[in-house]
Amino acid sequence: EAGVAQSPRYKIIEKRQSVAFWCNPISGHATLYWYQQILGQGPKLLIQFQNNGVVDDSQLPKDRFSAERLKGVDSTLKIQPAKLEDSAVYLCASSLSTGANEKLFFGSGTQLSVL
Amino acid sequence: GIQVEQSPPDLILQEGANSTLRCNFSDSVNNLQWFHQNPWGQLINLFYIPSGTKQNGRLSATTVATERYSLLYISSSQTTDSGVYFCAVLGYSTLTFGKGTMLLVSP
Repeated sequence: EAGVAQSPRYKIIEKRQSVAFWCNPISGHATLYWYQQILGQGPKLLIQFQNNGVVDDSQLPKDRFSAERLKGVDSTLKIQPAKLEDSAVYLCASSLSTGANEKLFFGSGTQLSVL
Repeated sequence: GIQVEQSPPDLILQEGANSTLRCNFSDSVNNLQWFHQNPWGQLINLFYIPSGTKQNGRLSATTVATERYSLLYISSSQTTDSGVYFCAVLGYSTLTFGKGTMLLVSP
């Protein structure tokens, strides 16, 4: 079974530029998550989708971050414009549903450096 | 929101040693998971364990939900066990991660 796919693996941009990350979840997984992991910390949830609807985006900085999952499968996360403090690893995860007993499976992440 | 505290923050072991990692949480949880993040950044789900005890090879985990803590046991540690171990709990709606325990197993 294929895991969660993410691209690119690494990205270096200058501040005020824009950047986009792509994620393809495990086949059949209805729930998709984007997490931000700053060096030395645990992952922090940015946004959670159930199929193509948003379940939780309370910690997404909406003035600069946007995410979509138009067909309920793959998803993109965009940052525009980027700030220095956005340097982090962006992790995508998926689970079968949003039930309390669901296990999360993570992709390899995209390491973003904002210069 | 729910608070998750992990201890110790760092741990250095000789290969073959045993260790216990702890996760304390501040409220009732519906879901608790342990993850291992390897040195290349990949997060691997080790256990889904909201209560009780589970074992998988050299690893086992116990959650005492009524006392709001979980323990991860690593026996006969190997260098491949190195990395960061995260506990994550589901309170109301969001899976919240602790800051992790960084483990280094030396040969």
